Amino acid sequence: TQLLEQSPQFLSIQEGENLTVYCNSSSVFSSLQWYRQEPGEGPVLLVTVVTGGEVKKLKRLTFQFGDARKDSSLHITAAQTGDTGLYLCAGGRGSTLGRLYFGRGTQLTVWP
Amino acid sequence: DAGVIQSPRHEVTEMGQEVTLRCKPISGHDYLFWYRQTMMRGLELLIYFNNNVPIDDSGMPEDRFSAKMPNASFSTLKIQPSEPRDSAVYFCASSPNFGQYNTIYFGEGSWLTVV
Repeated sequence: TQLLEQSPQFLSIQEGENLTVYCNSSSVFSSLQWYRQEPGEGPVLLVTVVTGGEVKKLKRLTFQFGDARKDSSLHITAAQTGDTGLYLCAGGRGSTLGRLYFGRGTQLTVWP
Repeated sequence: DAGVIQSPRHEVTEMGQEVTLRCKPISGHDYLFWYRQTMMRGLELLIYFNNNVPIDDSGMPEDRFSAKMPNASFSTLKIQPSEPRDSAVYFCASSPNFGQYNTIYFGEGSWLTVV
């Protein structure tokens, strides 16, 4: 059983479109991280959110942590082909990263 | 700066053979993690070390899997004997210290196929 469920599993869009991917759980997390993984490479951290309701922006990417710290979303504005990749959310419980629980990811493909 | 270095990048082996995956963490990082990624289960933590000492190995699937960290710059993950269901991408990762703001740096992975 996955502690973190990500949706959609696959997303295929045209360049310039907006999109949102979701990361949901019935459990509370002390922190939530988003990673992007490109083919043949390891995941790379994009952002960490730790406060319920927190919103962080990274250029065209907006990350939100739910008020109850059980869910998160990633919104991309005006997607570019370079945004293509596997987006993973990972939840931490407690004050350490040792037990980081990953979702299965959303595979995003942005077409020119 | 060099990132986390893993070897081999790709390995194809026959069922029953021993497989050894190697990892060199980023210099100065106190924590080392071994993850496994499959389509079915996603990214799973197998084991992590702090200052070369195994802290949590509850993710190691069974006794066929073992991990060691003889020094701060080297770790191995061994599978003996290997089985087809062990086919996956194995990632090594390291982190400078523990805390919810910390970044975990992943290697490029070792792609294992057991036939």
